Amino acid sequence: DIVMTQGALPNPVPSGESVSITCRSSKSLLYSDGKTYLNWYLQRPGQSPQLLIYWMSTRASGVSDRFSGSGSGTDFTLKISGVEAEDVGVYYCQQGLEFPNTFGAGTKLELK
Amino acid sequence: EVQLVESGGGLVQPGRSMKLSCAASGFTFSNYGMAWVRQAPKKGLEWVAYISYDGGSTYYRDPVKGRFTISRDNAKSTLYLQMDSLRSEDTATYYCTTLNLWGQGVMVTVSS
Repeated sequence: DIVMTQGALPNPVPSGESVSITCRSSKSLLYSDGKTYLNWYLQRPGQSPQLLIYWMSTRASGVSDRFSGSGSGTDFTLKISGVEAEDVGVYYCQQGLEFPNTFGAGTKLELK
Repeated sequence: EVQLVESGGGLVQPGRSMKLSCAASGFTFSNYGMAWVRQAPKKGLEWVAYISYDGGSTYYRDPVKGRFTISRDNAKSTLYLQMDSLRSEDTATYYCTTLNLWGQGVMVTVSS
């Protein structure tokens, strides 16, 4: 199985600050179609997960442009520009290249 | 309204069976592959199983292979997860998802 490893944040984060969450995969997620099969989700407290980013850098419908995804085949970053209260929760990366579609352990964002 | 609504959870004894359902509405269910993702209490997300849009292909994570069966009825816009030989480690909230759309989750507790 592909292992997804996420980094931690220096919580709590001051409101308005920009933060980056890292994720690394044990295998390149770049497929022959040119797409990189890496998703980002946010799970707010008490809620179901919400898709933020797919194909490493494409924002899902309705997602704020404060969220941006970037990376290579194995190293990925989710950047949040100007953290707001509604961004609090746990962020997960997930690979969509192979089954099982494994998730990272999650990165918690807390606001100061 | 576009939504997924899970049902069928509850308390079950180890070794027994349970069947979860997920009713889809507001979109063309038969066009989408579907997955079950679970989350043990206070833990991260864990991908469980996937079924293709037409039910022709299914995939499972290793610990549930041979015990869980994912299926769908496109005429009823409903996804299922048949869980047999349940274990305490299967205790979790189970979400059905297209990855872009998530249900509210249903709790399954395996305990004597």
